Amino acid sequence: AQSVTQLDSQVPVFEEAPVELRCNYSSSVSVYLFWYVQYPNQGLQLLLKYLSGSTLVKGINGFEAEFNKSQTSFHLRKPSVHISDTAEYFCAVGDNYGQNFVFGPGTRLSVLP
Amino acid sequence: GAVVSQHPSWVICKSGTSVKIECRSLDFQATTMFWYRQFPKQSLMLMATSNEGSKATYEQGVEKDKFLINHASLTLSTLTVTSAHPEDSSFYICSASWTSGHNEQFFGPGTRLTVL
Repeated sequence: AQSVTQLDSQVPVFEEAPVELRCNYSSSVSVYLFWYVQYPNQGLQLLLKYLSGSTLVKGINGFEAEFNKSQTSFHLRKPSVHISDTAEYFCAVGDNYGQNFVFGPGTRLSVLP
Repeated sequence: GAVVSQHPSWVICKSGTSVKIECRSLDFQATTMFWYRQFPKQSLMLMATSNEGSKATYEQGVEKDKFLINHASLTLSTLTVTSAHPEDSSFYICSASWTSGHNEQFFGPGTRLTVL
């Protein structure tokens, strides 16, 4: 069974400051890792994904994440946040069989002026 | 590419009635579709997985007779909430994927169901 932990339920940060949203996972098989963003009353938008290859993954809106297999982590980072980045962020893990897609509990990022 | 739509985007119904939510893959054939529900300020919880032409697989604790799922074609899946009650009020999100060696899911915009 797979599981995802997002230790920070809420992260407040000032505009133009850097941010890191933490994600740790557990799995007994090879995994694919994803970060999604959800704006209020909307569906999920894919920010980035790790399937294989380079452990540093760059996504949309200036976000990037690094896959660390030894630490079973996939933390999301952005060097300078904007007010418009205020949203809920979900880390997710899936296996390579096309099933068992598990979401973390989410982290609410609040960017303050 | 890989666009998934849901209809309606929001619905309000009376307790005891049934509500149907549609999920469509607009530009690809979805061999598998997933249905999630999300309560306020919570994460997405998988309700069921459906493969085209076969019965859906429900997660533990999800009543299959209450949440009827039909995946009749490679571009359409429907979720019917039967005899809805206020506790069924939630945000329902579908996703779709195709068989291509990896399991990325493409998510619909969600449907907000409010049962009065």
